[in-house]
Amino acid sequence: AQTVTQSQPEMSVQEAETVTLSCTYDTSESDYYLFWYKQPPSRQMILVIRQEAYKQQNATENRFSVNFQKAAKSFSLKISDSQLGDAAMYFCASQSADGLTFGKGTHLIIQP
Amino acid sequence: GAVVSQHPSWVICKSGTSVKIECRSLDFQATTMFWYRQFPKQSLMLMATSNEGSKATYEQGVEKDKFLINHASLTLSTLTVTSAHPEDSSFYICSASVQRVREQYFGPGTRLTVT
Repeated sequence: AQTVTQSQPEMSVQEAETVTLSCTYDTSESDYYLFWYKQPPSRQMILVIRQEAYKQQNATENRFSVNFQKAAKSFSLKISDSQLGDAAMYFCASQSADGLTFGKGTHLIIQP
Repeated sequence: GAVVSQHPSWVICKSGTSVKIECRSLDFQATTMFWYRQFPKQSLMLMATSNEGSKATYEQGVEKDKFLINHASLTLSTLTVTSAHPEDSSFYICSASVQRVREQYFGPGTRLTVT
């Protein structure tokens, strides 16, 4: 069984600043993927970034990057130059043969 | 590419009636579809996984007879909530994948309100 833990129920950041969202996971799988999803008020799940566990290089998508520490089972998301449109719930997720397991989410507030 | 639609986006039904929610992959053939339930201010909880032409696999605690899932084709899966009650009111989200362990593409969700 997989578990995903997001220890920050809510985070707040000033517009244009950088914020890091934390995520730890536990899995017995050797082949798995990790994801960060964004859920805005529309509730549409939007893929932000994904990381294949076998890749050592941290994934990057424009202003979004991850710090993947496989041994520590840590997968944090860094958002640079925060924008008002980044305000949303962010879910960390782990995927293996059993499917996706989500963390409880972090509510990100962007202060103008 | 990889667009998933859900219909309806919002449905209100009376207690005791059944309601069907459709999930379609519009531009790809989905070998596997997933159904999630999300309560307000909570995370997504997987209800069941379905493969085309096979019976769905339900997560522990999900009533199979209450939440009927049919995956009749590679582009369509349906979730029927039978004899709905107010406690079934929730946000239901489907997702689809081409390969079971790869990325899932999410539909926009369906809000169910049972009165």
